[in-house]
Amino acid sequence: GEDVEQSLFLSVREGDSSVINCTYTDSSSTYLYWYKQEPGAGLQLLTYIFSNMDMKQDQRLTVLLNKKDKHLSLRIADTQTGDSAIYFCAEDRGGNTGKLIFGQGTTLQVKP
Amino acid sequence: DVKVTQSSRYLVKRTGEKVFLECVQDMDHENMFWYRQDPGLGLRLIYFSYDVKMKEKGDIPEGYSVSREKKERFSLILESASTNQTSMYLCASSLSPGGVTETQYFGPGTRLLVL
Repeated sequence: GEDVEQSLFLSVREGDSSVINCTYTDSSSTYLYWYKQEPGAGLQLLTYIFSNMDMKQDQRLTVLLNKKDKHLSLRIADTQTGDSAIYFCAEDRGGNTGKLIFGQGTTLQVKP
Repeated sequence: DVKVTQSSRYLVKRTGEKVFLECVQDMDHENMFWYRQDPGLGLRLIYFSYDVKMKEKGDIPEGYSVSREKKERFSLILESASTNQTSMYLCASSLSPGGVTETQYFGPGTRLLVL
């Protein structure tokens, strides 16, 4: 079935690296996404990765994709208190449906 | 920059009331979506629309309807609000189906409380 799984909570110290993990089930997904939601706000697109890539780096963000294990991760280097938020991974449903499947979201807490 | 706006940030309604949530996007996107967000459940798709006057049910359409009379506007309607519809409602839009144009852009959300 279609499912995207994330752990619900991660706590790190300011300056450390954060790694948020996600597993998905649909091998026909073309793009996988990471969104960030700050308190009381909508979802903001952080980055996305095409399914034939293994890695994508964008400043402090590194996305790793293991297609064999259907595992996606988001690494945030030098985590700051402003990175405290809920992070959602999402996959497209394939077949050009236009729909995305979202995980439950991981709450990242950054301690000073 | 894509801009998706929602008519209200916070709404308080009574059980049985008819509730309208409005969403507008300014980038000529074909696709528009309504989700609800509940703690621990992530985002669940209520309805979506590929084009004007076109709608399709998502995963949890019961108790909701939608309207898309103009391309830029997508409305979510709660015909008779119930307490279990208390939630955060998020609207999103994307350019078109297929590839990276499926990237969705979100509005700020409407937090609805039904008493």
